[in-house]
Amino acid sequence: GAVVSQHPSWVICKSGTSVKIECRSLDFQATTMFWYRQFPKQSLMLMATSNEGSKATYEQGVEKDKFLINHASLTLSTLTVTSAHPEDSSFYICSADTLNIQYFGAGTRLSVL
Amino acid sequence: QKEVEQDPGPLSVPEGAIVSLNCTYSNSAFQYFMWYRQYSRKGPELLMYTYSSGNKEDGRFTAQVDKSSKYISLFIRDSQPSDSATYLCAMSGNTGGFKTIFGAGTRLFVKA
Repeated sequence: GAVVSQHPSWVICKSGTSVKIECRSLDFQATTMFWYRQFPKQSLMLMATSNEGSKATYEQGVEKDKFLINHASLTLSTLTVTSAHPEDSSFYICSADTLNIQYFGAGTRLSVL
Repeated sequence: QKEVEQDPGPLSVPEGAIVSLNCTYSNSAFQYFMWYRQYSRKGPELLMYTYSSGNKEDGRFTAQVDKSSKYISLFIRDSQPSDSATYLCAMSGNTGGFKTIFGAGTRLFVKA
């Protein structure tokens, strides 16, 4: 099956610092990857669609300058949370699309102190 | 009206029960129908997907799609405590750039 690797699984950082999360498709190429945010006991909230070789498309209300997305290759997308604050603490999940099916990473728990 | 409706539950069943999870949708252009399982603090895991209408079976899991009623189901036979998770339905279309729409997820508890 299609495997998506997400790293790190958990990160703690100080307020004001930046954090980078990586998402890799291990056994397929993904032109499109997605970044989601999930609060406890709530559903997935799509933040942005990441397209290889072009700018990401952000959902309404998501600050593109705070959540920087780079899709440098067909197997790697990164999400950088810049100048993180405690309200950015959340569970971030990436997915990669192949043949109209999304496969998800294991998620990254971000805690901002 | 949301494009995809899914009862959030929670749904609590005894071990060994047959579980029925359902979603309804409004967009007739959906062609791919997926079910994901998500354990707490983990990413969703694809359980099954179906293209267009019909049934698909994989072990204890059966997915059904009724496009005429815009209704999809996931059945879990002989449910186990390890099936306790949140189950998300998802749907997408056939053309490039068609967004995948997720249901809110149903929380399932299987009691030993």
